[in-house]
Amino acid sequence: NAGVTQTPKFHILKTGQSMTLQCAQDMNHGYLSWYRQDPGMGLRRIHYSVAAGITDKGEVPDGYNVSRSNTEDFPLRLESAAPSQTSVYFCASTKLYLGTGELFFGEGSRLTVL
Amino acid sequence: AQKVTQAQTEISVVEKEDVTLDCVYETRDTTYYLFWYKQPPSGELVFLIRRNSFDEQNEISGRYSWNFQKSTSSFNFTITASQVVDSAVYFCALITQGGSEKLVFGKGMKLTVNP
Repeated sequence: NAGVTQTPKFHILKTGQSMTLQCAQDMNHGYLSWYRQDPGMGLRRIHYSVAAGITDKGEVPDGYNVSRSNTEDFPLRLESAAPSQTSVYFCASTKLYLGTGELFFGEGSRLTVL
Repeated sequence: AQKVTQAQTEISVVEKEDVTLDCVYETRDTTYYLFWYKQPPSGELVFLIRRNSFDEQNEISGRYSWNFQKSTSSFNFTITASQVVDSAVYFCALITQGGSEKLVFGKGMKLTVNP
């Protein structure tokens, strides 16, 4: 099993451009979530989804959109990228809901906005 | 408001030393979960342990041990006889589910184990 797969691993885009980070899991997990990691800030949750068709805002949702059309995929979209969105992004899943077990993280996507 | 404090930002030790990583949390919820994750230089995040607020039993897993004390709102992590492979950034995290779900990570603590 691949677990949680993120693409791309690296990307550079210009201010104002749009971009979608892909996240796919093959563990039949219900809960999927996106995080950003910035130096000295730890990880902060952007959006999450407990099931297909249901999404909710995390602690730092501004500037990002998500959708969940099926169990496997949870793309993160930046509609108009800003330099403040330069970060490393992680997608993570767990079987039921957040507190019940470990989060399985993807390998991360390093995004640079110029 | 929920908060996780990892007061130490960086620690450097020599191999075989014991090292304790501190984690202090704040929450008014009675039901919550605490986690530790490891992030080695390769960048992936590795789950280490999960504790719920009703289980104060300490845990030992090989050279790793965790001390959960609700009285001091702490969930400290000790590595015994540290090894170079323990070099990583370690994150403590708090999940609360009173009302709406909240997730807070500490800022992380970078551990360097020198040979």
